[in-house]
Amino acid sequence: DGGITQSPKYLFRKEGQNVTLSCEQNLNHDAMYWYRQDPGQGLRLIYYSQIVNDFQKGDIAEGYSVSREKKESFPLTVTSAQKNPTAFYLCASNNRASTDTQYFGPGTRLTVL
Amino acid sequence: GENVEQHPSTLSVQEGDSAVIKCTYSDSASNYFPWYKQELGKRPQLIIDIRSNVGEKKDQRIAVTLNKTAKHFSLHITETQPEDSAVYFCAASRTSGSARQLTFGSGTQLTVLP
Repeated sequence: DGGITQSPKYLFRKEGQNVTLSCEQNLNHDAMYWYRQDPGQGLRLIYYSQIVNDFQKGDIAEGYSVSREKKESFPLTVTSAQKNPTAFYLCASNNRASTDTQYFGPGTRLTVL
Repeated sequence: GENVEQHPSTLSVQEGDSAVIKCTYSDSASNYFPWYKQELGKRPQLIIDIRSNVGEKKDQRIAVTLNKTAKHFSLHITETQPEDSAVYFCAASRTSGSARQLTFGSGTQLTVLP
């Protein structure tokens, strides 16, 4: 899991602003995922991507957007349409050809002021 | 879609005792069940997983059991140590092309008392 990086570690945003969270992996994994974690709760899937230039909505995609232009990168944009964006965001990846295990990045804590 | 329920939400045990965390799932098509450990402010780390063609799996002090008929699976930690203190999450998923959509339980805060 050391091959997945997220930046920044902490992010502050004013209401009404869009913000983009970075996720990069050098593990040559095909699939990448974005999860949201709220205090005292489990992880919820926002978006996932199986291959470059393709992605699908997860359980809570409203107010978020993603892109997958390169295999290594899967940035998440939190738009102003997301009503309660303050949360801990985790990126993960895996290569189902070899393992079902999803490896997580260190996370980005987003706070909306 | 899939729904995963996890109990208990908090669990305190004495060092050396065993801890058991239970999860139930709703989608009979789910075929992969991982368990993650998350320390405060850190990323989740896989500790053990099980597939639907297996009833039990062990890795040293950790074991997972799966009952497909009842749609529940459990994590067992024996000889607990203070470093086992963390939040534990169960998850369930089924195959979706080359990706896996994991549905997580709400987590169990395990505290091992010295």
